[in-house]
Amino acid sequence: KAGVTQTPRYLIKTRGQQVTLSCSPISGHRSVSWYQQTPGQGLQFLFEYFSETQRNKGNFPGRFSGRQFSNSRSEMNVSTLELGDSALYLCASSPEGPRASGPTDTQYFGPGTRLTVL
Amino acid sequence: ILNVEQSPQSLHVQEGDSTNFTCSFPSSNFYALHWYRWETAKSPEALFVMTLNGDEKKKGRISATLNTKEGYSYLYIKGSQPEDSATYLCAPLSNDYKLSFGAGTTVTVRA
Repeated sequence: KAGVTQTPRYLIKTRGQQVTLSCSPISGHRSVSWYQQTPGQGLQFLFEYFSETQRNKGNFPGRFSGRQFSNSRSEMNVSTLELGDSALYLCASSPEGPRASGPTDTQYFGPGTRLTVL
Repeated sequence: ILNVEQSPQSLHVQEGDSTNFTCSFPSSNFYALHWYRWETAKSPEALFVMTLNGDEKKKGRISATLNTKEGYSYLYIKGSQPEDSATYLCAPLSNDYKLSFGAGTTVTVRA
């Protein structure tokens, strides 16, 4: 089975612009979660999508949004970029997500998109 | 989102030596603990999921224990090898179904 893929792998934007990142989950996985990693920080949970609906959300401003399509592919959008948005953005997929599968639900991560905001 | 602390932040180990490091988390609002290994230029990879107090998991030379009452987990590497070099992340899953990751412990095994 192919793993989780993310595009693009690298991106450079300037402040004020917006950006869209894409994530294709493992075939058959319906839950997609997004995480942000900034230097010195652990992965921070952004949101989880399941069956085209946002099922869970972290503590990020409304500039961060996402969506999921009927084929489970997901996109994340960041509007009005700030310098502090420079980070590695990882998505992870799982068959059903912890809410449905329980605590042992395992997430499979993609390689990430490295976003640099100048 | 839970406050997770991992220590030490990094450590260097001689090949063949054993080592261990800690993950601390709030014991309330706990649902499970996940450990991931993240090698350079790769994606984080799941190692263990533990749910019960006193739980122990083992995968080859790597093992982990869990204390949910006091809110900590230890990860052990026995007889470290260069391929064990990676950042090890712990992530408690809270009962609102969110994973909170620690900043990780970066292990470098010297040959």
